[in-house]
Amino acid sequence: AQSVTQPDIHITVSEGASLELRCNYSYGATPYLFWYVQSPGQGLQLLLKYFSGDTLVQGIKGFEAEFKRSQSSFNLRKPSVHWSDAAEYFCAVATGGGSQGNLIFGKGTKLSVKP
Amino acid sequence: SAVISQKPSRDICQRGTSLTIQCQVDSQVTMMFWYRQQPGQSLTLIATANQGSEATYESGFVIDKFPISRPNLTFSTLTVSNLSPEDSSIYLCSVGDRVPGANVLTFGAGSRLTVL
Repeated sequence: AQSVTQPDIHITVSEGASLELRCNYSYGATPYLFWYVQSPGQGLQLLLKYFSGDTLVQGIKGFEAEFKRSQSSFNLRKPSVHWSDAAEYFCAVATGGGSQGNLIFGKGTKLSVKP
Repeated sequence: SAVISQKPSRDICQRGTSLTIQCQVDSQVTMMFWYRQQPGQSLTLIATANQGSEATYESGFVIDKFPISRPNLTFSTLTVSNLSPEDSSIYLCSVGDRVPGANVLTFGAGSRLTVL
């Protein structure tokens, strides 16, 4: 069965430091991968997506993610974190067939930013 | 991308009652979906709201508990019936921009339900 694992429940980084949030997926076919961010009291906002092609994808707010098929990973990175990046981050994979809305989400990683 | 408005943003309900959540989109969309986000958990798809026909429910979700309406291409409602504390969650409406093999989903801000 398809699944998404985000091994880190909570991460704290200092403002200006680099960030990497981990995501591993389990899916038999070519995955469609997403990162969403959820700020407190807000809905989910799409940061970036990978469908095919270049395995390093750029997103909004200075985020990027790299798809590594050999490691079944799609880690999210940012070179310098801002206080406004404090939020919860969700990795997701689209199952493709069946219900087209069925994204499988990880449990999320909560990011705290120290001044 | 579409702009989604959900109402109510939060509510506190008594056990045994029902809550209806509204989702309004600023443009016509083919695909609308309802997700549930339980405390400390990831999002789970409840159902696909189909315009002009019954919703398509995912495994573990049934129409009697989560009746859904989709009267037109810009509006949908989700009702959570016979509430119990286990229904305390955030319920999110989403719409899809169809691309082959997957939807890129836009989400509303969610409706936070607390059941006492």
